[in-house]
Amino acid sequence: GQQVMQIPQYQHVQEGEDFTTYCNSSTTLSNIQWYKQRPGGHPVFLIQLVKSGEVKKQKRLTFQFGEAKKNSSLHITATQTTDVGTYFCAGPIGNDMRFGAGTRLTVKP
Amino acid sequence: NAGVTQTPKFRVLKTGQSMTLLCAQDMNHEYMYWYRQDPGMGLRLIHYSVGEGTTAKGEVPDGYNVSRLKKQNFLLGLESAAPSQTSVYFCASSYKWTGGGNEQFFGPGTRLTVL
Repeated sequence: GQQVMQIPQYQHVQEGEDFTTYCNSSTTLSNIQWYKQRPGGHPVFLIQLVKSGEVKKQKRLTFQFGEAKKNSSLHITATQTTDVGTYFCAGPIGNDMRFGAGTRLTVKP
Repeated sequence: NAGVTQTPKFRVLKTGQSMTLLCAQDMNHEYMYWYRQDPGMGLRLIHYSVGEGTTAKGEVPDGYNVSRLKKQNFLLGLESAAPSQTSVYFCASSYKWTGGGNEQFFGPGTRLTVL
């Protein structure tokens, strides 16, 4: 079936290194959302992207939506220990909301 | 405001038992959702509601029923629990349909184990 795929599944970085997670959909998405879930917590909305080629920044986080609206990425510059958690992308497919499996980020101080 | 709350936080069931998970939101949101989260699989939509008295199936509805009798509450029922329903269940709500790019607010989750 149509789905949203996310890579990598895990990423371990040294504090201060950059981090990127990638999201790919099997179909064109009208929009894509990104969420962060801290260990033991619940998903928290970060941002939504709607336009083809859109780029949005939130401090050290940069979000991109691909030109074909089938892929997206989240890049964190100079990671900090507070960035630890799992990052999910999500997009609507039909009447459903599909989440990627998430990228779990761990940061070594 | 409490946001989205879920009860209970933890529950252990035996195969075949039934239970109801309660979700409540105080943000006057029209849309509410039930997800399950399993390791390595992200969140999967079980059922959702676009308003009081309405419900619809999501990606994985089998084995679950829902009701939205009041705008602020969304109940998820398991009639005959199975070990495959062991999971963490999250409720969420949004002002408009989240598929339109609208932020979902999640509850703290219910960890359910079915033995």
